[in-house]
Amino acid sequence: GAVVSQHPSRVICKSGTSVKIECRSLDFQATTMFWYRQFPKQSLMLMATSNEGSKATYEQGVEKDKFLINHASLTLSTLTVTSAHPEDSSFYICSAAPLGAVNTEAFFGQGTRLTVV
Amino acid sequence: GQQLNQSPQSMFIQEGEDVSMNCTSSSIFNTWLWYKQDPGEGPVLLIALYKAGELTSNGRLTAQFGITRKDSFLNISASIPSDVGIYFCAGAFMSQAGTALIFGKGTTLSVSS
Repeated sequence: GAVVSQHPSRVICKSGTSVKIECRSLDFQATTMFWYRQFPKQSLMLMATSNEGSKATYEQGVEKDKFLINHASLTLSTLTVTSAHPEDSSFYICSAAPLGAVNTEAFFGQGTRLTVV
Repeated sequence: GQQLNQSPQSMFIQEGEDVSMNCTSSSIFNTWLWYKQDPGEGPVLLIALYKAGELTSNGRLTAQFGITRKDSFLNISASIPSDVGIYFCAGAFMSQAGTALIFGKGTTLSVSS
């Protein structure tokens, strides 16, 4: 089956530093990748939709200068949390939709637990 | 904005029992999806529903797309300990970036043997 890998799975960083999270589709190409945020015991909230070769589309209330998204290739999208603060601590999950598939068939990565201290 | 109301929030059952959970919305969706999430992992798709009235099974799981397109339910029959986890419904809608998903708040299932 299709595999989406996120790296790192866990990261702890100091306030004010930046953290980059990678999302890779390992065995398929994806024109569209999605980034979600999940707080403890809460649902997944869509942050942005990332299309290869173009600027990401951010959901209302998500700061694009805070959460930088780069979708440089058909198998890699990155999310950079800039100048991280403790309130940015969360579980970040990406998903990727295979070429030609509808976006509802996107596969999820295993998530990245970010803790800002 | 669009919202999905998922219930129950949590369930505690005995192994072998059947389970039912549902999602409702005031909005119409073209696709309903059901996912399972284990702690510290990403969601895994269980069942996708694309047509109103559709009833689809995947092993011991059965899900239906409500005829009004505003609701869906998921049944798990003869539950086993590995069914433990959080189950999310999701509805697909068109955003400015294309098709996107909105998730329910999840149903946490606990199974005792």
